[in-house]
Amino acid sequence: QVQLVESGGGVVQPGRSLRLSCAASGFTFSSYAMHWVRQAPGKGLEWVAVISYDGSNKYYTDSVKGRFTISRDNSKNKLYLQMNSLRAEDTAVYYCARDPETNCTGGVCYSYFDYWGQGTLVTVSS
Amino acid sequence: DIQMTQSPSTLSASVGDRVTITCRASQSISSWLAWYQQKPGKAPKVLIYKASSLESGVPSRFSGSGSGTEFTLTISSLQPDDFATYYCQRYDSWWTFGQGTKVGIK
Repeated sequence: QVQLVESGGGVVQPGRSLRLSCAASGFTFSSYAMHWVRQAPGKGLEWVAVISYDGSNKYYTDSVKGRFTISRDNSKNKLYLQMNSLRAEDTAVYYCARDPETNCTGGVCYSYFDYWGQGTLVTVSS
Repeated sequence: DIQMTQSPSTLSASVGDRVTITCRASQSISSWLAWYQQKPGKAPKVLIYKASSLESGVPSRFSGSGSGTEFTLTISSLQPDDFATYYCQRYDSWWTFGQGTKVGIK
């Protein structure tokens, strides 16, 4: 069965960095685009970033452009989110999620998310 | 940027009630809309995609309708397991969620 397991969250000071990981299993990871979505405490869902199945295309929400980098290692079935210059407003639970479509132009299929991980909490505080 | 607006933000209902949640897009998104259910401390779960297609394994009491800018999620007979927060999401050319609708017990 499809499983996505995030790790790497924790408490970090403003301006510091953190790298999140998402371990995938139960499907051919290298065939699917993957996303990061976050949820601030008590707030709604916010899409953060997407990476194509082969890592060649990446897109970000404006608030994290230039600070966050999404990447993947298909040989290890892992998705990553490198977060630099962290701010208090980046405090959230971060989820990885799968795009269910494959074989789309540019490798990023504009689709919904069919599987989600359980999330990892990032707290940015001094 | 296309905005997604859900209404109401909260609602109270009883088991057995018919519940309708509305999601409006600021511009047409055709039928590229999904609905998710989220319970406290858990990841969201997709219920409906492409506005009206039921995700595999989701009970048939959930249904979706609409196209263009106005969409609805209907729960035909609310069950105890359905008390949760519901989000709509556009995925036409980007990914944006509505602010959520919390369904509570009356």
